[in-house]
Amino acid sequence: SAVISQKPSRDICQRGTSLTIQCQVDSQVTMMFWYRQQPGQSLTLIATANQGSEATYESGFVIDKFPISRPNLTFSTLTVSNMSPEDSSIYLCSVGDGNRGSNYGYTFGSGTRLTVV
Amino acid sequence: GEDVEQSLFLSVREGDSSVINCTYTDSSSTYLYWYKQEPGAGLQLLTYIFSNMDMKQDQRLTVLLNKKDKHLSLRIADTQTGDSAIYFCAETDDYKLSFGAGTTVTVRA
Repeated sequence: SAVISQKPSRDICQRGTSLTIQCQVDSQVTMMFWYRQQPGQSLTLIATANQGSEATYESGFVIDKFPISRPNLTFSTLTVSNMSPEDSSIYLCSVGDGNRGSNYGYTFGSGTRLTVV
Repeated sequence: GEDVEQSLFLSVREGDSSVINCTYTDSSSTYLYWYKQEPGAGLQLLTYIFSNMDMKQDQRLTVLLNKKDKHLSLRIADTQTGDSAIYFCAETDDYKLSFGAGTTVTVRA
């Protein structure tokens, strides 16, 4: 399966600032996703990062707050803009391995633990 | 994907079997997954099952799927202290994963 490197692993940020999270994959993948895991909660899909076009956002998430870039098939960034304490969460990058054979699944990065103060 | 529900906590004695249960509502689910999240770590894919299967075994892990009742379970045989983690059930009918709230498994000596 794909290996994902996600940076930074954690950060403490001031409210009103922005943080950009990077996701680097060791192989070309078609599908890349960004999830949010709020404290003690499950994972919620923020958006699907599309290569060469605008990301597809889920209900409740907007581009102005969570701009996403996907310049190629191995890299994506998620920016959390104008942060407030409610944005304190773990943000995870995920890729679809796309091989619907014997080892199909979605791989996740180790996450970025964001605390907004 | 639709709603996915799991019990929140499970305590099990070391060496016993653990059974984690999950129910889902989307009848068009095609793939169902179990992920493990250890403290401070990301999600690790443990196993998955196609919706046309009713059982899958992988070493200490056994997944049972009752499609009629929309019930999925994960059995961990000979549970070890390293199995202490949060286990997430997830389903998809296209490419979006819907996750349960996670079951925190605590293994006691």
